[in-house]
Amino acid sequence: EVQLVESGGGLIQPGGSLRLSCAASGFTVSSNYMSWVRQAPGKGLEWVSVIYSGGSTYYADSVKGRFTISRDNSKNTLYLQMNSLRAEDTAVYYCARVREGDYYDYWGQGTLVTVSS
Amino acid sequence: QLVLTQSPSASASLGASVKLTCTLSSGHSSYAIAWHQQQPEKGPRYLMKLNSDGSHSKGDGIPDRFSGSSSGAERYLTISSLQSEDEADYYCQTWGTGSWVFGGGTKLTVL
Repeated sequence: EVQLVESGGGLIQPGGSLRLSCAASGFTVSSNYMSWVRQAPGKGLEWVSVIYSGGSTYYADSVKGRFTISRDNSKNTLYLQMNSLRAEDTAVYYCARVREGDYYDYWGQGTLVTVSS
Repeated sequence: QLVLTQSPSASASLGASVKLTCTLSSGHSSYAIAWHQQQPEKGPRYLMKLNSDGSHSKGDGIPDRFSGSSSGAERYLTISSLQSEDEADYYCQTWGTGSWVFGGGTKLTVL
C-alpha cells in the first residue's frame, strides 16, 4: 500500500527556515517523480516543486531561490528545505507522487507551516 | 500560458448527477488533465486521468459513479447518484515542461 506521511511543519518567524519531510512506503521514491504542493488557508492548490527520478529539480517562481527539494534514497524520504520564509508561505504543504511524469496519483495528509511573528 | 479554469461552485441534489467543467487555455486543447477530490479538512485524493479523447483511468477504489469526458478544450467530471460524501472541492490539474498547474477548484454542495 502506498503511503506518504509529511512532518516538520510548525510556527516559524518571517525570515526563518524549516525543513519538511515526507516518508514514503509501498514504493521507491527515487524511481518516481515526487512533488510538493501547498494550499494557503481557504485557497486552492499551488504547485511548489518537483524532483525527477533522474535528479533534476524545478520550482515555482514564488519559491525559486528560497526552497530546495531533495530526497534521501536510503530513507525513502522526500524533503523540502524552506529558507527566507515569508508570511505568504503560510500553507498546508502536501507531498505527492507524480505518476508517469504527469499527474499526482498519491497524496500525503499534509503538514501546516505558519509564518508569523 | 497553460491555465485551467473552473467554476468556483456547483450544487446538485442528493441522488442526482452533476457535471463539473475544467477548461484548458487557448493552444492547449490536446492536453490531458487529472481530477482530484478534496473533502473538508482532508488532503486531496486522485480520482482519474482524463485524456483529450475522453478516455480515462481512475485511481484505486474510485466508484463507477465518477466518470470523465472531453470536448475540445473542455474536460468534464460527472458524478452520478450523488452522495453526501461527494460534497467536496474538486480540482483539475495538468502539466507542462517542469511545471504543474491546478485549476482554481470547484466547491460542490450536495443539497
